[in-house]
Amino acid sequence: KAGVTQTPRYLIKTRGQQVTLSCSPISGHRSVSWYQQTPGQGLQFLFEYFSETQRNKGNFPGRFSGRQFSNSRSEMNVSTLELGDSALYLCASSLEGRPTDTQYFGPGTRLTVL
Amino acid sequence: AQTVTQSQPEMSVQEAETVTLSCTYDTSESDYYLFWYKQPPSRQMILVIRQEAYKQQNATENRFSVNFQKAAKSFSLKISDSQLGDAAMYFCAYRSAHNDMRFGAGTRLTVKP
Repeated sequence: KAGVTQTPRYLIKTRGQQVTLSCSPISGHRSVSWYQQTPGQGLQFLFEYFSETQRNKGNFPGRFSGRQFSNSRSEMNVSTLELGDSALYLCASSLEGRPTDTQYFGPGTRLTVL
Repeated sequence: AQTVTQSQPEMSVQEAETVTLSCTYDTSESDYYLFWYKQPPSRQMILVIRQEAYKQQNATENRFSVNFQKAAKSFSLKISDSQLGDAAMYFCAYRSAHNDMRFGAGTRLTVKP
C-alpha cells in the first residue's frame, strides 16, 4: 500500500497570502488528522476529519480550516498568513481515528512565510 | 488538561548499548493510550510502540520496550542494542478516547559509532 502523501513538500509564501495543503491518506483510511510542528511549540493538533466531517479541533484561530472529500483526501487552508505560521505541517491517517488505530504520518509540508 | 513531559531534550548512546528515554504525563482519565513515535531526519514520523493503560504488561517490540508505571504516570522507552539507524527525535504521546493526541517536546537521540 502507498503511504500517506502530502503536497506540496515545500512552500514559500508572504504575509497576508493564503495557502492550501493537501493530504492523501492510505487507501481505506477514513480519518485524517493535521498537526503543526514548530521548534518552539512542538507538535500541536490542528483538527481531525472523518467521513468528510470535522470531528475534533485543536486550539488554533479560525484562519486555519480544513475539509475532507468523499475519497478521504483532505486539505487544510491557512488564510491571511502570519510569520508565526511558518512550520512543518503533518497529516496522519488512520482507519477510523479511534485511539486504538495506528496513525500513519506523511512526510509533511514545510511552509515558510516571509 | 492532559500534558506530556519529556525532560531530556537530548540523549546519546554508544552503538550496541542500551538507552532509556523518559516521559511523564498528567491526566485524570483512567482509559488512555500512550505512544512513542520516532522522527528520523527525513521527517516522516513512525510509530515505535504503544501501550494501552488498562494493560499491566509492558509492551515490547523487538529491541524497543517500555516501562509503564501507571500510578507514577511514567512511560519510559528502552532501546536495547542501539543501532545507528535509531538516531532520531523521539516523541512520547498520549491519547484518550475523548481527546486528540498530545505530544511531548521530544528527545533527540544520537547514536555514536
